[in-house]
Amino acid sequence: EAGVVQSPRYKIIEKKQPVAFWCNPISGHNTLYWYLQNLGQGPELLIRYENEEAVDDSQLPKDRFSAERLKGVDSTLKIQPAELGDSAVYLCASSLGGRVGNEQFFGPGTRLTVL
Amino acid sequence: AQSVSQHNHHVILSEAASLELGCNYSYGGTVNLFWYVQYPGQHLQLLLKYFSGDPLVKGIKGFEAEFIKSKFSFNLRKPSVQWSDTAEYFCGHATNAGKSTFGDGTTLTVKP
Repeated sequence: EAGVVQSPRYKIIEKKQPVAFWCNPISGHNTLYWYLQNLGQGPELLIRYENEEAVDDSQLPKDRFSAERLKGVDSTLKIQPAELGDSAVYLCASSLGGRVGNEQFFGPGTRLTVL
Repeated sequence: AQSVSQHNHHVILSEAASLELGCNYSYGGTVNLFWYVQYPGQHLQLLLKYFSGDPLVKGIKGFEAEFIKSKFSFNLRKPSVQWSDTAEYFCGHATNAGKSTFGDGTTLTVKP
């Protein structure tokens, strides 16, 4: 079974430039999560989707971050414009439903460096 | 609001030593706790979880954790570590609505 796929794996951009990350969840998983992980810290939830609906985006900085999950499968997370403080690993995860007992499966992450 | 704290940032052990990683949570609602592990070069993966029932939970690779409500703790244990247990370990909590909060992680280094 293929796992969660993310691309690109690494991205280096200059500040004020836009950047986008893509995630393909495990087939059949209707719940998708985007997390931000700073160095030395645990993952922090940015947004959670149930199918194509964003059910929790309270931690998403909406002035510069946006996300979409068209057709309830793949998802894209965008930052525009990027700031130095956005340098981090962006993780995507999926689960079979958003119930608390369902295991989240994580992708390898995208490591973003903003210069 | 929920929060999770892990006491040790970096633990170094020799093979066959016993392991206990501390985790404390703060949340006023129903408690749902888990540990994830990230081996070098690999993805985060679930080690074990507690949502109800027996407070002593057994996970993969010989790990276990005990939920102690009075101490707001969910410490991870293993009686005898191996070099292959070298990894980063994350404790976390999830609300019934499915919102997860992770601790900052503990890096475990096991010396052969």
